[in-house]
Amino acid sequence: GESVGLHLPTLSVQEGDNSIINCAYSNSASDYFIWYKQESGKGPQFIIDIRSNMDKRQGQRVTVLLNKTVKHLSLQIAATQPGDSAVYFCAETPSGGKLIFGQGTELSVKP
Amino acid sequence: DAGVTQSPTHLIKTRGQQVTLRCSPKSGHDTVSWYQQALGQGPQFIFQYYEEEERQRGNFPDRFSGHQFPNYSSELNVNALLLGDSALYLCASSGKAGWNEKLFFGSGTQLSVL
Repeated sequence: GESVGLHLPTLSVQEGDNSIINCAYSNSASDYFIWYKQESGKGPQFIIDIRSNMDKRQGQRVTVLLNKTVKHLSLQIAATQPGDSAVYFCAETPSGGKLIFGQGTELSVKP
Repeated sequence: DAGVTQSPTHLIKTRGQQVTLRCSPKSGHDTVSWYQQALGQGPQFIFQYYEEEERQRGNFPDRFSGHQFPNYSSELNVNALLLGDSALYLCASSGKAGWNEKLFFGSGTQLSVL
């Protein structure tokens, strides 16, 4: 399948610290990218998106960076809170096609 | 404003049986997509419905079929269930802004095949 990996990478941070979650996407033709947050027992929740004509976009406490040269996407969360603990997925869309999800990273916030 | 709603939340079936999952999109949305999420993995695209027709399809066998109704709600049908079909099935909706932009997901149906 297009989403691979049985073992989720894990990032553990202290409450109040900044978190950086990385994602390598697969298709150089992708022109739209989204970060989703998924809590246990829930569906993915939209966090922030970015188009390929941008390299940075900021939201409330979150920033997404896009590096098309190396096909890399990152999500920065400022002042991480216990409520940020979840699995984070990046997703890409090759020119209006289906949304392809990455592997996911589990973020654990220690109080 | 209700978000995306799915039913049932949990379902247990045996191999060979058939199952139907249901989804109501977020108010104002007209496009419904279905995803399968295996444990520990990201969601995988099954298919998308718009104007009551299948618009795109992922790499899933014909055992997986769907339908969209005039009120934009949708059903996912899986025939001849296999053990490997056990997963969380997610429905997502989007509006006319773009087929896959800002998908809103439901909480999913957890299907267990025994």
